Amino acid sequence: QKEVEQDPGPLSVPEGAIVSLNCTYSNSAFQYFMWYRQYSRKGPELLMYTYSSGNKEDGRFTAQVDKSSKYISLFIRDSQPSDSATYLCAMWGSQGNLIFGKGTKLSVKP
Amino acid sequence: NAGVMQNPRHLVRRRGQEARLRCSPMKGHSHVYWYRQLPEEGLKFMVYLQKENIIDESGMPKERFSAEFPKEGPSILRIQQVVRGDSAAYFCASSSGQGETQYFGPGTRLLVL
Repeated sequence: QKEVEQDPGPLSVPEGAIVSLNCTYSNSAFQYFMWYRQYSRKGPELLMYTYSSGNKEDGRFTAQVDKSSKYISLFIRDSQPSDSATYLCAMWGSQGNLIFGKGTKLSVKP
Repeated sequence: NAGVMQNPRHLVRRRGQEARLRCSPMKGHSHVYWYRQLPEEGLKFMVYLQKENIIDESGMPKERFSAEFPKEGPSILRIQQVVRGDSAAYFCASSSGQGETQYFGPGTRLLVL
């Protein structure tokens, strides 16, 4: 079983839709959870960062962590074509390195 | 305020040649991480360095790959005797400390012919 599982998609939605992106993980020791956004042929950029269980909101983005289910989510409200990118979930390993999911490719159609 | 810089952005090598990838961290950052992204795969951790020290190299292939982060100058990821399977995007990230946010560079895309 991989440490972090993420459906690669692709996911295609109309502009204005609510997008739900998810990851599951196997290591119950993970405490820090991140979502990165990666545009085509660019480096990943940090979107959201959460610690332990709970919700965190930043503008149109909401990150949720459910440690009991080992499940994390990223919601995007009022999605825009500029949100079209690959979204990567990531967790901190024991030495400070990041463990990434494969990424979900999102396309928001105007 | 320059972000993480990587060069070259694109690198083409023939099988058996050496590839040198450079990473200059953000100003004030002394922790550098290298990741590799293969086609259709997520980012995989390779090595974590602090100035003049390798902290964790658990993700590095045992042969042909090495990394350094000297006291002066950029961090360098070196791949000797490249093979086609080394073709990938190599990303560098930096942080101000262990457990701090990692900021990524634009990557170096290596193509081995």
